[in-house]
Amino acid sequence: AQSVTQPDIHITVSEGASLELRCNYSYGATPYLFWYVQSPGQGLQLLLKYFSGDTLVQGIKGFEAEFKRSQSSFNLRKPSVHWSDAAEYFCAVGPYNQGGKLIFGQGTELSVKP
Amino acid sequence: SQTIHQWPATLVQPVGSPLSLECTVEGTSNPNLYWYRQAAGRGLQLLFYSVGIGQISSEVPQNLSASRPQDRQFILSSKKLLLSDSGFYLCAWSESDYGYTFGSGTRLTVV
Repeated sequence: AQSVTQPDIHITVSEGASLELRCNYSYGATPYLFWYVQSPGQGLQLLLKYFSGDTLVQGIKGFEAEFKRSQSSFNLRKPSVHWSDAAEYFCAVGPYNQGGKLIFGQGTELSVKP
Repeated sequence: SQTIHQWPATLVQPVGSPLSLECTVEGTSNPNLYWYRQAAGRGLQLLFYSVGIGQISSEVPQNLSASRPQDRQFILSSKKLLLSDSGFYLCAWSESDYGYTFGSGTRLTVV
């Protein structure tokens, strides 16, 4: 079955500390992988995506993610967290074709301590 | 450039009342359109998707329905709302291999 697992429901980090949000997926074909961020009461904004090529992808706001096929993982990282990064983060996987349906993880809520 | 509009932003409706949420996309043609619901403390649940005018696929049986009367218009409806219909509703579109673009959402509270 196709699925996305974000093992951490809630993470708290100190401002300036590094961050890693975990994402594991189960998908029968070559996947497209995405990370989205959602501020409270807002829609989702695309942070970054992976289709093919270099397994380390750079996104907006200083985020990056690494695709590891052997581990079926696509973890999101940021070297130094800012208070404005507090939000909910969603990992998603989709088919390798245009406009396919995305499967989302349950989300990880990030809190940032001053 | 492409934009997606979703309204209203917030809505409080009594149980048993009808519902109509609208989503429109500008700057693109023949997009795939999606309705998601996000209940408190939960992830995103795909409710409906549409690949063209009049073509609606339902992902989960429920009290809601969707319609696509025009290429860039996607409507979520209910004849009689239930308390369990409360949540945050998100419209999204996709046209190519760039994932989804989401609207700003509608917070629905059924009282």
